[in-house]
Amino acid sequence: GAGVSQSPSNKVTEKGKDVELRCDPISGHTALYWYRQSLGQGLEFLIYFQGNSAPDKSGLPSDRFSAERTGGSVSTLTIQRTQQEDSAVYLCASSLGVIENSEKLFFGSGTQLSVL
Amino acid sequence: DAKTTQPNSMESNEEEPVHLPCNHSTISGTDYIHWYRQLPSQGPEYVIHGLTSNVNNRMASLAIAEDRKSSTLILHRATLRDAAVYYCILRGILYGSSNTGKLIFGQGTTLQVKP
Repeated sequence: GAGVSQSPSNKVTEKGKDVELRCDPISGHTALYWYRQSLGQGLEFLIYFQGNSAPDKSGLPSDRFSAERTGGSVSTLTIQRTQQEDSAVYLCASSLGVIENSEKLFFGSGTQLSVL
Repeated sequence: DAKTTQPNSMESNEEEPVHLPCNHSTISGTDYIHWYRQLPSQGPEYVIHGLTSNVNNRMASLAIAEDRKSSTLILHRATLRDAAVYYCILRGILYGSSNTGKLIFGQGTTLQVKP
C-alpha cells in the first residue's frame, strides 16, 4: 500500500485478555518501529526491527509485551494479560533502512487500545 | 541519542511566520537534526531534517546554528492545519551498537494557530 497500515484502528478488550496489533509497513522498508503514546503524553519507544530481527527491545515495558516480524514485512505486537495501564495508542512506523541517520520514518495512524 | 530542549507551547496567528526553537547543546558531529509533527489524532509525520546547512522543503525551512547547538523550524505562513505538536529529535549513529536506529521523541512544542 501507499502508507503504513495498522489494524485494528480501535480495540476494546477486558483486563486479563491477550491482544494482537498488526502493522503493515511500506513495501520495501526494511526497518519497522513500535511506539506507544498514552493520553496527553509523548511517544514512548518500544522496539524496532531491522529485517526480521530486533536489535533493540529495550523499550518493551514488561514480559507481557512481545513482537515479531515475519518475511521482513508484517509485524505483530502482542500484549498478554492486558492491564488498564496498557491503554494507549500504539503507533507503528517504517523506514527504508536504519543504518543511515538521515532516514525518515513514516508512521501509521495507530491502534487505540482500551482495556476495561 | 543526545537530548533536545523545546518550549512546551507556542502561539501564532494565521498567515504569519512561526519560528520554533530547539536547543541541543550536546549534539555530536554525526547527529542529524530531525523535525516531526503530530496533528491531532494522527501519527507523527516527517517535516524536515538537516546536518549542518540550512534546509528548505515544501513544508518548512530548517535553520541550523553555526555551532549546531540549536536549530529553528520555520513555517513561513502558518495555517490552521499547522496546529500540531512539533518534535525536534537528534538521530545519531553508533556502528555496531544497539542504539543504532531508534528515534527518541521528547515532549515537543504544542503550536496553536489563531485565526
